[in-house]
Amino acid sequence: AQSVTQLGSHVSVSEGALVLLRCNYSSSVPPYLFWYVQYPNQGLQLLLKYTTGATLVKGINGFEAEFKKSETSFHLTKPSAHMSDAAEYFCACQGAQKLVFGQGTRLTINP
Amino acid sequence: DSGVTQTPKHLITATGQRVTLRCSPRSGDLSVYWYQQSLDQGLQFLIQYYNGEERAKGNILERFSAQQFPDLHSELNLSSLELGDSALYFCASSHGGAAIYYGYTFGSGTRLTVV
Repeated sequence: AQSVTQLGSHVSVSEGALVLLRCNYSSSVPPYLFWYVQYPNQGLQLLLKYTTGATLVKGINGFEAEFKKSETSFHLTKPSAHMSDAAEYFCACQGAQKLVFGQGTRLTINP
Repeated sequence: DSGVTQTPKHLITATGQRVTLRCSPRSGDLSVYWYQQSLDQGLQFLIQYYNGEERAKGNILERFSAQQFPDLHSELNLSSLELGDSALYFCASSHGGAAIYYGYTFGSGTRLTVV
C-alpha cells in the first residue's frame, strides 16, 4: 500500500532563509506526488504536483520539489522564506482511488 | 474561493446527537471525497463517491454514512456523536473517479465540536 512519511512535525526557519520540508513515499507503482498547504482556518490548497516528466516541479508562491526515485523522496524547498509562508504543509501520494496524506509539517517563520 | 462549498462552517452539538455536513463539488467535478482532520490522527480518508456511487471506503465508522445526490452534492451524516468525533471535516472534489493524478480541490471544511 502507498504511504507517505513527512520528517519533522515542526520546522522553524528565519525569514529569508531556505525552507526544506522532507517527504518520503512508499509506492509499488510509479507515484503521483503532491504538496498541499493549509493556512489557519482554511482548507488545503495544492502547491505543486509530480506526475511524469521533469523531476523538478515548480509550484505556486516560489516553492519547488524534486522527485528522486532512488531516494523515494519528494522534498519541498523554497530559497527564501517569507512570513506569509507560515502554515501547515502536507505531502501526499496517490493510493487506490484516493490521495494518501502524510502527517503534516508545521512551518514557523521567525522574523 | 476554491469552488468547493461546505456548510456549515462551524457546528457545535451534544454527545449522542446526529448532524449532517454538506458539500457541493466544484463545477464539472464528479468525485467527492470526505476526510476527517484531527490533531492526533491527521488527515484520514473517510469515503469517496463518484457520480452518485460509492467508490472507495476508508476509516469510516459505522455511525457515519454519506451519499451523493443526482446534482452531485454530497452529505456526510454523523450519528451518536462522541467527544472524539470533534474534528475538521473536509470535502474535496476531482473531475473523474480515477483522476487523482490531478489532485483534489478542497473545501474550507466544517469544524465540528461535540460537547
